[in-house]
Amino acid sequence: AQTVTQSQPEMSVQEAETVTLSCTYDTSESDYYLFWYKQPPSRQMILVIRQEAYKQQNATENRFSVNFQKAAKSFSLKISDSQLGDAAMYFCAYRSAGGQGAQKLVFGQGTRLTINP
Amino acid sequence: NAGVTQTPKFRVLKTGQSMTLLCAQDMNHEYMYWYRQDPGMGLRLIHYSVGEGTTAKGEVPDGYNVSRLKKQNFLLGLESAAPSQTSVYFCASSRSYYEKLFFGSGTQLSVL
Repeated sequence: AQTVTQSQPEMSVQEAETVTLSCTYDTSESDYYLFWYKQPPSRQMILVIRQEAYKQQNATENRFSVNFQKAAKSFSLKISDSQLGDAAMYFCAYRSAGGQGAQKLVFGQGTRLTINP
Repeated sequence: NAGVTQTPKFRVLKTGQSMTLLCAQDMNHEYMYWYRQDPGMGLRLIHYSVGEGTTAKGEVPDGYNVSRLKKQNFLLGLESAAPSQTSVYFCASSRSYYEKLFFGSGTQLSVL
């Protein structure tokens, strides 16, 4: 079974600075999807960014980018120019690209990000 | 623009009581999921469905049952609630396995 590990329970950053959240995963599959979800205090789960494993290029969405290292099974999220609205719990997630595993999204434990004004 | 709607949003139960959580989506999605969220453990999959009339077990199915009689609804039942089932429950749906999940706003359940 696939597992996702976020080793940083909490992180903090000064407003306007850059922060990187770590995520590692364990899988024997070669094709899969990786995600970062944001959960603000409202509890709503919001998709931040998505990466297909077969794509070597790192995904980018405005101030959010990832560093996808397939061989190392690492998928970190970089937030540039941090804003107060970025304060939230961030979850890394994995999904297989085929078979029964494709039907399920496996989440990491989460990293709580605090933005200091 | 309702998306995924969960009812109720909050509930307090006594040990041994039963209840049903309702999830409704208006996007005609095939896939629906129930997750529970506990501090330090992320979201764990309870049960899921890949289409009307189908259900399957996830990572932590014990103590829960589900039904998907209509495509737009996915019900999560607790037959005999236990304090260990105190959690925030999230429903989610997606059009296919490779598309993003749309989440409901969650149900805070406390079992005393």
